Amino acid sequence: EAQVTQNPRYLITVTGKKLTVTCSQNMNHEYMSWYRQDPGLGLRQIYYSMNVEVTDKGDVPEGYKVSRKEKRNFPLILESPSPNQTSLYFCASSSSGAGSYEQYFGPGTRLTVT
Amino acid sequence: GDSVTQMEGPVTLSEEAFLTINCTYTATGYPSLFWYVQYPGEGLQLLLKATKADDKGSNKGFEATYRKETTSFHLEKGSVQVSDSAVYFCALSTGNQFYFGTGTSLTVIP
Repeated sequence: EAQVTQNPRYLITVTGKKLTVTCSQNMNHEYMSWYRQDPGLGLRQIYYSMNVEVTDKGDVPEGYKVSRKEKRNFPLILESPSPNQTSLYFCASSSSGAGSYEQYFGPGTRLTVT
Repeated sequence: GDSVTQMEGPVTLSEEAFLTINCTYTATGYPSLFWYVQYPGEGLQLLLKATKADDKGSNKGFEATYRKETTSFHLEKGSVQVSDSAVYFCALSTGNQFYFGTGTSLTVIP
């Protein structure tokens, strides 16, 4: 089954404790992206990757890091989480980043930083 | 910068009512436009898209037409069902970045 998986689905952590949210897709997609969803703000793009070793900032990259060492994986790293990073995070992938292709979304990771 | 503005919710309709959710956009260049739907507890799914002016996207009875002159991409459905209850997001892309609206929550009551 074609899918995007994220782990963990739920995470509660404390300020400053480094964490990683994993994202993996099995569709051989070139493009992958991370979003955060907040009430009243919709989805905002954090980082995206056009292919292995090619990443770029989205609209709200501050406080986040990403890496793309393999085509299928695109982890999101919070080196020193803060309460304002409490949010619902989605990973997505598409066959190309040319902008007209469908994105496939993971189920989401709900992060709470206390 | 590029952005999407969509109709505030929540919207509550009776089954078989007509649905319109307004969406307007600001973009440099020639964006592709999308409607995504999010059911409770799930990720977003593509509902329909249009990649150039005057294109009409359609799926599952939903339609939206890319109007360059009014920079709009309004979502419509002639007769909603209870199963259409979800949050709807308008989005655009002008290349490698995507911009989403704030979402419109729709509840359809029997």
